[in-house]
Amino acid sequence: DSGVTQTPKHLITATGQRVTLRCSPRSGDLSVYWYQQSLDQGLQFLIQYYNGEERAKGNILERFSAQQFPDLHSELNLSSLELGDSALYFCASSQRGDAYGYTFGSGTRLTVV
Amino acid sequence: DAKTTQPNSMESNEEEPVHLPCNHSTISGTDYIHWYRQLPSQGPEYVIHGLTSNVNNRMASLAIAEDRKSSTLILHRATLRDAAVYYCILRDNYGQNFVFGPGTRLSVLP
Repeated sequence: DSGVTQTPKHLITATGQRVTLRCSPRSGDLSVYWYQQSLDQGLQFLIQYYNGEERAKGNILERFSAQQFPDLHSELNLSSLELGDSALYFCASSQRGDAYGYTFGSGTRLTVV
Repeated sequence: DAKTTQPNSMESNEEEPVHLPCNHSTISGTDYIHWYRQLPSQGPEYVIHGLTSNVNNRMASLAIAEDRKSSTLILHRATLRDAAVYYCILRDNYGQNFVFGPGTRLSVLP
């Protein structure tokens, strides 16, 4: 157990729908990062939050959004889902300036049918 | 971002040492070399990192070339559990996000 908790582990939904993925960071970590991993793209950085504020954006589609709440958990919202959004979504957390980098959760596998 | 180059795949026999190479010829003076690995159906996990000197921890050793343009991750005795994709990533310490390449897929044969 890495200490980063992601729910749900699996999600199957239809095209056009909206889903919310949840991440609880490791205790004491202020930063949360979201990554998408699909078969043909590898691990792609989506977005980072630090203590409730957006800090960096990567290859995140406009249909996707995220937020970090006062208790530091984060949610990634995916809307108007397409077949190509099927992927593993990983959340990672770190302390500010953590030289050891990130601790990843075990991911949410999203299947869009 | 400075890029790294790794072989697509490597094979090793169980209980033998494994040397995973990484080339990073455009590394800057402030870039740390990080290694992560991703076991099947899991998220990436930290393995080791270093700046200039060789580093050892309970999981592996990191050997860094004197000119820092290449490095090698050393697993001293490969086990079946070490079969994973290994990522070599350059990152400075100013909050830059990790950028994952395709990595090296390590297979360990019994």
